[in-house]
Amino acid sequence: DVKVTQSSRYLVKRTGEKVFLECVQDMDHENMFWYRQDPGLGLRLIYFSYDVKMKEKGDIPEGYSVSREKKERFSLILESASTNQTSMYLCASSLFGSGTGAFLGNSPLHFGNGTRLTVT
Amino acid sequence: AQKVTQAQTEISVVEKEDVTLDCVYETRDTTYYLFWYKQPPSGELVFLIRRNSFDEQNEISGRYSWNFQKSTSSFNFTITASQVVDSAVYFCALSEAPIKAAGNKLTFGGGTRVLVKP
Repeated sequence: DVKVTQSSRYLVKRTGEKVFLECVQDMDHENMFWYRQDPGLGLRLIYFSYDVKMKEKGDIPEGYSVSREKKERFSLILESASTNQTSMYLCASSLFGSGTGAFLGNSPLHFGNGTRLTVT
Repeated sequence: AQKVTQAQTEISVVEKEDVTLDCVYETRDTTYYLFWYKQPPSGELVFLIRRNSFDEQNEISGRYSWNFQKSTSSFNFTITASQVVDSAVYFCALSEAPIKAAGNKLTFGGGTRVLVKP
């Protein structure tokens, strides 16, 4: 079974702090993702990475950065935490290829349990 | 830009009733994937189904069934004879065909919370 592990289940930080959220997967997946989940908004993509040291912005990257120095680890960084970043953060991973032709790459995501971050 | 709409924010049913979750999507691509995920109270999203845009066959898996209709851009999900363990938030998601290696970015709907009462 794929295991995606997020380092903290709950986290409380102060405004202005630098915050690191860590995610590790154990299935040698190429792709890793960070989403945030807010009521009524579903999941929104912050950043994703399809290879070591590669990163791409998602839909809401402002205020965040990421790091992928090793294939199994994908870190989300809040440079200066703000109260509007209080949210549930979900990490996910997937294989690069699952399918053929135009569908290559659209394999299911495997999610971690999430980190509920509160910024006060 | 792609978009997924789940108009129902919360549905409450009594055990053994059927429940249908609506999902409407928007995309300019002709090639795409649709997904359903379940998020139980534990928080971890669980993959339920993936369907590509060229396969409009309905699918049944146990008490779960999915109805994909390209003509109405909908991918609805029905739970038959619901059980308390079905209580969860369900998300519909869309992924367009990858242009490069990154692939499978998912756009999620807002989610529908299903509460099944005993």
